[in-house]
Amino acid sequence: DGGITQSPKYLFRKEGQNVTLSCEQNLNHDAMYWYRQDPGQGLRLIYYSQIVNDFQKGDIAEGYSVSREKKESFPLTVTSAQKNPTAFYLCASSSTPQGMFSNQPQHFGDGTRLSIL
Amino acid sequence: DQQVKQNSPSLSVQEGRISILNCDYTNSMFDYFLWYKKYPAEGPTFLISISSIKDKNEDGRFTVFLNKSAKHLSLHIVPSQPGDSAVYFCAASAGRGETSGSRLTFGEGTQLTVNP
Repeated sequence: DGGITQSPKYLFRKEGQNVTLSCEQNLNHDAMYWYRQDPGQGLRLIYYSQIVNDFQKGDIAEGYSVSREKKESFPLTVTSAQKNPTAFYLCASSSTPQGMFSNQPQHFGDGTRLSIL
Repeated sequence: DQQVKQNSPSLSVQEGRISILNCDYTNSMFDYFLWYKKYPAEGPTFLISISSIKDKNEDGRFTVFLNKSAKHLSLHIVPSQPGDSAVYFCAASAGRGETSGSRLTFGEGTQLTVNP
């Protein structure tokens, strides 16, 4: 089955600790995204990547870092600089035809809930 | 600056009736709009989309209407079913010709409850 897998489903972070959230997709999608959802709010874009070895900051990138070494994988690291990391993190992917209007929906994983110990 | 806004945090309807979820946007560069459905502790699931060159798109029980002059879109679900109970997010992108065109801006979501 093609899809997006996020792990772990629940994650706890100690103060001053970096943690990495995993996101893997087997949809052969070029683009991948990380969002954060807080209670009563919509999804806010943290980072996105249109192609391997390239990524751009979203609206709330401070305190986060990403890498895109493989097409299938887009891990997100929540660093100790992120002072309010407790949230539900969602990874998504989409196909983006080169040179065309990118009119493709994003497909989401089931999320990772991060909490502070 | 909330560029996509869903003003109703919740909506309750009877089974079999129509559900109408609304969404307003401020960015005139948005040209692609989507609706997602989300159950608790799961990722959003894509429902239906509409390009700015259209004013209506229909898929089974789901219809999305776009009023560009009012910068308003709505999702109609007819007939509503208890399984439709979920949070519905509208989203928009401004991507014609841009490599960053897949960036989505989401509204806050509306909790729909369909009562049997």
